[in-house]
Amino acid sequence: GENVGLHLPTLSVQEGDNSIINCAYSNSASDYFIWYKQESGKGPQFIIDIRSNMDKRQGQRVTVLLNKTVKHLSLQIAATQPGDSAVYFCAENRAGGYNKLIFGAGTRLAVHP
Amino acid sequence: GAVVSQHPSRVICKSGTSVKIECRSLDFQATTMFWYRQFPKQSLMLMATSNEGSKATYEQGVEKDKFLINHASLTLSTLTVTSAHPEDSSFYICSARGPNEKLFFGSGTQLSVL
Repeated sequence: GENVGLHLPTLSVQEGDNSIINCAYSNSASDYFIWYKQESGKGPQFIIDIRSNMDKRQGQRVTVLLNKTVKHLSLQIAATQPGDSAVYFCAENRAGGYNKLIFGAGTRLAVHP
Repeated sequence: GAVVSQHPSRVICKSGTSVKIECRSLDFQATTMFWYRQFPKQSLMLMATSNEGSKATYEQGVEKDKFLINHASLTLSTLTVTSAHPEDSSFYICSARGPNEKLFFGSGTQLSVL
């Protein structure tokens, strides 16, 4: 199966600061991107998504930016809270066939009080 | 919102035995479900795509005879790990494609093979 990277980098931030988590995707044909949050021992939880015809989308306290030129995706979390501590994954939807979702390597976010 | 139920959440078995994991879409029908495997501190790796009423599509490197997938109804897909060995110990996660083409995930199954 496909996987991007075998290590989880960690981003440490202070409570109240803004967090930026980055992701590089691999397939220029991917048309839909999603950010997920995963807490220990649980399945991924949907945060926000963006289609390839957009470059920015905002949710509650979160913003996703998409740069198709360099195949880069970022997740911005405003006023980070201790409850935001988790592993964050970006995922790209590979169009065609059954539209399978391929996950990036993931980043661990550690929020310190 | 759409809910995907995965059972069991944790299973411990002896080497050589088979283990079945169930994935159910509770409030929507899913013609397509996906099975992922996740090792500690790693990302989710897609194993196979489960299609209702037809054979599953396996990713490269995933043994179809080892990981049997059955998608017998629009709300249930099962993954059977046959003749499990310690290297099969992992966190298995299912997902189902629901309304608006969004993917909804189960809570995962931690498999430990002794």
